[in-house]
Amino acid sequence: QKEVEQNSGPLSVPEGAIASLNCTYSDRGSQSFFWYRQYSGKSPELIMFIYSNGDKEDGRFTAQLNKASQYVSLLIRDSQPSDSATYLCAVNIGAGGTSYGKLTFGQGTILTVHP
Amino acid sequence: DVKVTQSSRYLVKRTGEKVFLECVQDMDHENMFWYRQDPGLGLRLIYFSYDVKMKEKGDIPEGYSVSREKKERFSLILESASTNQTSMYLCASRRLDGLAYNEQFFGPGTRLTVL
Repeated sequence: QKEVEQNSGPLSVPEGAIASLNCTYSDRGSQSFFWYRQYSGKSPELIMFIYSNGDKEDGRFTAQLNKASQYVSLLIRDSQPSDSATYLCAVNIGAGGTSYGKLTFGQGTILTVHP
Repeated sequence: DVKVTQSSRYLVKRTGEKVFLECVQDMDHENMFWYRQDPGLGLRLIYFSYDVKMKEKGDIPEGYSVSREKKERFSLILESASTNQTSMYLCASRRLDGLAYNEQFFGPGTRLTVL
């Protein structure tokens, strides 16, 4: 089992719809969770992070974390064509030692928002 | 404005050549990382460093080495380049201060082609 898995995609949604991106992780000791967006030919950029159970909202984006189910998701409301990108889930696995600062990434989900 | 820079955006090398990829960050971050990114395989960690002269293998270190002589600079070395090392290489840095939600910043990437 991979440490971090994302829904395989690609995901296609119409403009204005809600896009739902999902991620599961295997290590129960994981502490924090990140969503990165990567446009084609560009490097990843952080959208948001979450470390407490529940929802965290930032504009059109909502991150949801359920540590009991080892599940984190990203909802994009009112999706726009400019949201079309690859979305990467990343998890801070490890509570100490030299690996403390290392993020483990999922394989990414390609999202296309069509007009 | 925080910045991670990489020495080249595009690089073409021949099989068997020794290749150096340089990365510099100006944020005084302790952690630095080298990834490669290939379609369908996501971001794969090659090596990371948590301090000057300190390094740890990531998931795919074979065929690569690294050097960190100064805190701000992290170099990836391909001792004898092979065609299967053709890829996008991404450098990243992250503060290590006990906060599990620190953002990881990426450089623009180097697209390496080995002929």
